[in-house]
Amino acid sequence: AQKVTQAQTEISVVEKEDVTLDCVYETRDTTYYLFWYKQPPSGELVFLIRRNSFDEQNEISGRYSWNFQKSTSSFNFTITASQVVDSAVYFCALSEGGSQGGSEKLVFGKGTKLTVNP
Amino acid sequence: DAGITQSPRHKVTETGTPVTLRCHQTENHRYMYWYRQDPGHGLRLIHYSYGVKDTDKGEVSDGYSVSRSKTEDFLLTLESATSSQTSVYFCAIKSTGINYGYTFGSGTRLTVV
Repeated sequence: AQKVTQAQTEISVVEKEDVTLDCVYETRDTTYYLFWYKQPPSGELVFLIRRNSFDEQNEISGRYSWNFQKSTSSFNFTITASQVVDSAVYFCALSEGGSQGGSEKLVFGKGTKLTVNP
Repeated sequence: DAGITQSPRHKVTETGTPVTLRCHQTENHRYMYWYRQDPGHGLRLIHYSYGVKDTDKGEVSDGYSVSRSKTEDFLLTLESATSSQTSVYFCAIKSTGINYGYTFGSGTRLTVV
């Protein structure tokens, strides 16, 4: 069965600090997708990134970067030089199977609440 | 904009009353989902649909039913609301192929008093 663990419930940092949010997943499939979503205080779920199991390249988007390591079943998210606007709950999620269907389900971790203080 | 809307956005209801939440999409996606979000639990799947009249249970389906009579609408019903069903409910659609991914509605905040 698929499972996602976000061990950090809450993290508090001061602006401009770097912060890494951990995500560990479990799956028996060789084909799967991993996602990160951001939920700001306004409540909507904002898609950040999708990564498939065959692409282990790390990705950088501005101040955001993601480190995917199949050997440790981890998909960690780093924010460089954090800003107050980064304050949100961040969710890691896993979907098994390929892009045409596979598992019908997207399974979420419990989320990490990040607070960036000025 | 993925064209997914939820209604109502907020609702307060009394224990024991029936409640129906609506999810509407405009892009003809086959897969639709209902999740609930509670502190300390993240998002948990209630029910999902893989086509008109085709639905299945998620991990927290007790006390909920769903219906999908049209591709564009996925309804979630609480037959007799309880205080434990106070939550934020999110609907989602799944896009397949090159744009594979899940898009979420804005959520419905339901309070059962």
